[in-house]
Amino acid sequence: AQSVSQHNHHVILSEAASLELGCNYSYGGTVNLFWYVQYPGQHLQLLLKYFSGDPLVKGIKGFEAEFIKSKFSFNLRKPSVQWSDTAEYFCAVLSYNTDKLIFGTGTRLQVFP
Amino acid sequence: EADIYQTPRYLVIGTGKKITLECSQTMGHDKMYWYQQDPGMELHLIHYSYGVNSTEKGDLSSESTVSRIRTEHFPLTLESARPSHTSQYLCASSEEGDEGGTEAFFGQGTRLTVV
Repeated sequence: AQSVSQHNHHVILSEAASLELGCNYSYGGTVNLFWYVQYPGQHLQLLLKYFSGDPLVKGIKGFEAEFIKSKFSFNLRKPSVQWSDTAEYFCAVLSYNTDKLIFGTGTRLQVFP
Repeated sequence: EADIYQTPRYLVIGTGKKITLECSQTMGHDKMYWYQQDPGMELHLIHYSYGVNSTEKGDLSSESTVSRIRTEHFPLTLESARPSHTSQYLCASSEEGDEGGTEAFFGQGTRLTVV
């Protein structure tokens, strides 16, 4: 079955540490890839997206992600996290074959000062 | 700024009641979605629509139903609410972006509690 996998369920970091959250998907064909963030008590917000072109995409708040087609991966990175990055992060994939936007299980990130 | 609205934000209701969760968007998007999310858990797609008079079941089986009579409106109905329906329900709409891809915008969600 088609799926989106996020390997890290809960990540705890100190401020200034580097972050990498894994995301893999099992869809074939053309895909659009997204990372969404959900701050406590708030709605989902788009962090960044990949449609085509340069596989390294930059989003808001210093986040970036790299699409590696051969690995079906779209990992999220940030060189230096801040306490305000504490949130839930969701990877999502839109497959052109199914035309459905499917989310991963999410990763809870806690950053301590 | 996305213009997609869900009402109510919070709803506590008794078992057996019929409820309708409202979702409206003013962006003219054809595609709309309903997701169910338990606290701290993943989002499950329960319904989606490609446009007016189009509705499809998502990946997670749900006892809810949806309708799409107008482009901007995509309500979700539970005929007889049960405690197992307690969850957060998120509505989203999407459009073809300038770069050729599809980006989804989310409402703030309705947190439903069935007692």
